[in-house]
Amino acid sequence: AQKVTQAQTEISVVEKEDVTLDCVYETRDTTYYLFWYKQPPSGELVFLIRRNSFDEQNEISGRYSWNFQKSTSSFNFTITASQVVDSAVYFCALSGSSGSARQLTFGSGTQLTVLP
Amino acid sequence: KAGVTQTPRYLIKTRGQQVTLSCSPISGHRSVSWYQQTPGQGLQFLFEYFSETQRNKGNFPGRFSGRQFSNSRSEMNVSTLELGDSALYLCASSLVASGMTDTQYFGPGTRLTVL
Repeated sequence: AQKVTQAQTEISVVEKEDVTLDCVYETRDTTYYLFWYKQPPSGELVFLIRRNSFDEQNEISGRYSWNFQKSTSSFNFTITASQVVDSAVYFCALSGSSGSARQLTFGSGTQLTVLP
Repeated sequence: KAGVTQTPRYLIKTRGQQVTLSCSPISGHRSVSWYQQTPGQGLQFLFEYFSETQRNKGNFPGRFSGRQFSNSRSEMNVSTLELGDSALYLCASSLVASGMTDTQYFGPGTRLTVL
């Protein structure tokens, strides 16, 4: 069975601070995919990034960066110089490569509040 | 390209009624998945449709059903509504390139309230 754990339920930071959202996953698949989604108050899940299990390169996109470590089964997300518009719930998700494993298994989400 | 659209955005029903939610995927996307989001259970997978066939199903009772049309549009139906069915229902579409798991793109959701 697949499982995603986001231990941080809520995080509050002041604007311009850096913040890291933790994600730990469990899977028996050798090929799998990891995702981060952002859910603003409007409710829509906005796709941020996808990572394949065979590609451990870290990625940076503007103020966002992701650290994927297979050795610790973690896929952490860092926002640099946070802004009020970053306030949202962030979900980490995992899917396998075929059959019933294609469905997304989500963590419980981290509510990020960025204060001005 | 237009994103995933869902209708209606809000719905209020009473216990025992049934409801149908609609989802139009991104143009060219052939797979549609449905998820239920509640404060207590979080985001849970309902089912996935591809080429008008249900390809995958989550752990939900038979009151929850769906279908997909030849244009990839999908509907989900919940019969005999219960209070616990109150939730945000999210639809996601993906391209389904051969051999790989594709990224799912989500619509704005339908918020269902059961009274």
